[in-house]
Amino acid sequence: EVVLRQSPATLSLSPGERATLSCRASQTVSSRYLTWYQQKPGQAPRVLIYAASTRATGIPDRFSGSGSGTDFTLTITRLEPEDFAVYYCQIYDSSRTWTFGQGTKVEIK
Amino acid sequence: QLQLQESGPGLVKPSGTLSLTCSVSVGTIRSSDYYWAWIRQPPGKGLEWVGTIYNSGNTFYNPSLKSRATISVDASKNQFSLNVRSASAADTAFYYCARGTYGGSPAWGRGTLVTVSS
Repeated sequence: EVVLRQSPATLSLSPGERATLSCRASQTVSSRYLTWYQQKPGQAPRVLIYAASTRATGIPDRFSGSGSGTDFTLTITRLEPEDFAVYYCQIYDSSRTWTFGQGTKVEIK
Repeated sequence: QLQLQESGPGLVKPSGTLSLTCSVSVGTIRSSDYYWAWIRQPPGKGLEWVGTIYNSGNTFYNPSLKSRATISVDASKNQFSLNVRSASAADTAFYYCARGTYGGSPAWGRGTLVTVSS
């Protein structure tokens, strides 16, 4: 069973700053099945990035994903007020299960 | 544009069965390009995968549900469903249905809150 560990748990930043979120898998996973989500209070998760680095439709280019193997990163180049939220990574692995990281909260400093 | 819509009772009694349906608005649920999943999120907590059903009819479940969950498809209605037996307060959560793809972007419904309480 794959375990995803996200770090940090909380990221305190100011608007305009750069955010770097990490997602580390307990074993090598296929980047084809690595997805990043954003979730705001009272809303369903929204797909930001799929296949590790492809932006979903309508996602601004300040969001980017990278990584392979066991280490993946979500970068937000310049935080906008609407970007303060919780971010989850998720993998679909060879055992046909979905596994989520525990989330990183990006909060206003 | 694809829409997935969860529906079902918002309140379930302890030891009862939690039953939800997801209606798929675009395309056929029989397509081999996709698979169908349920995810839940207890209020204030993280996301937990519940289970998945494939075009073949094969199903896979989170072991944490200890065989209480069943996912099925009604192709005639373009819907898939989730049943969780012997519900307890620990099953209180927002439940989301989703469409998975093989390398493409998943699509999620807006979710529905189910509370298990007497």
